[in-house]
Amino acid sequence: EDKVVQSPLSLVVHEGDTVTLNCSYEVTNFRSLLWYKQEKKAPTFLFMLTSSGIEKKSGRLSSILDKKELFSILNITATQTGDSAVYLCAVEAFYNTDKLIFGTGTRLQVFP
Amino acid sequence: NAGVTQTPKFQVLKTGQSMTLQCAQDMNHEYMSWYRQDPGMGLRLIHYSVGAGITDQGEVPNGYNVSRSTTEDFPLRLLSAAPSQTSVYFCAAGISGRRGTQYFGPGTRLTVL
Repeated sequence: EDKVVQSPLSLVVHEGDTVTLNCSYEVTNFRSLLWYKQEKKAPTFLFMLTSSGIEKKSGRLSSILDKKELFSILNITATQTGDSAVYLCAVEAFYNTDKLIFGTGTRLQVFP
Repeated sequence: NAGVTQTPKFQVLKTGQSMTLQCAQDMNHEYMSWYRQDPGMGLRLIHYSVGAGITDQGEVPNGYNVSRSTTEDFPLRLLSAAPSQTSVYFCAAGISGRRGTQYFGPGTRLTVL
């Protein structure tokens, strides 16, 4: 059975800290891994990763994929209170590109 | 462009009642889907559609029906609501085969008593 596991489940940090969120997966015929940020409402897209070892970066956020060890990390440097959210990881498989398999998410709280 | 809209935002039902959650998109995307989000469970796919007239089941389809008569609309029907269907429901639209382009609606919080 395909599955996506995120850790930690929750994280509390102070502004300025650096955090690393983890996502491991067991998916047959892996195609891509996606990261989303969910604040109070709908998830919003952050990154899509398809190749190992290539870092995707957007401001203070960066992510990398390891297809050999079957995991991805999402790094946030110099955290701000606006980074407080649930971060979701999802995986897409080749055999059905219309289905995303989501992890349970990591809840990040950043305090001033 | 409104993107993906969902109505209602909140709904309370009694067990056994039926209702339809509405989802509309103005981006002309082929792919639309419904997810439910429960605490500790992440997002789970209920049904999806790759175009008008085509629907398929996701991970948790039982108790839900969908139809796709137009590109814009993808309603989700609960025929006989159960307390286990208490959840937050998200509709999404995107380009089929390119999941990174999936845009989510604001969600509907449903409580079944």
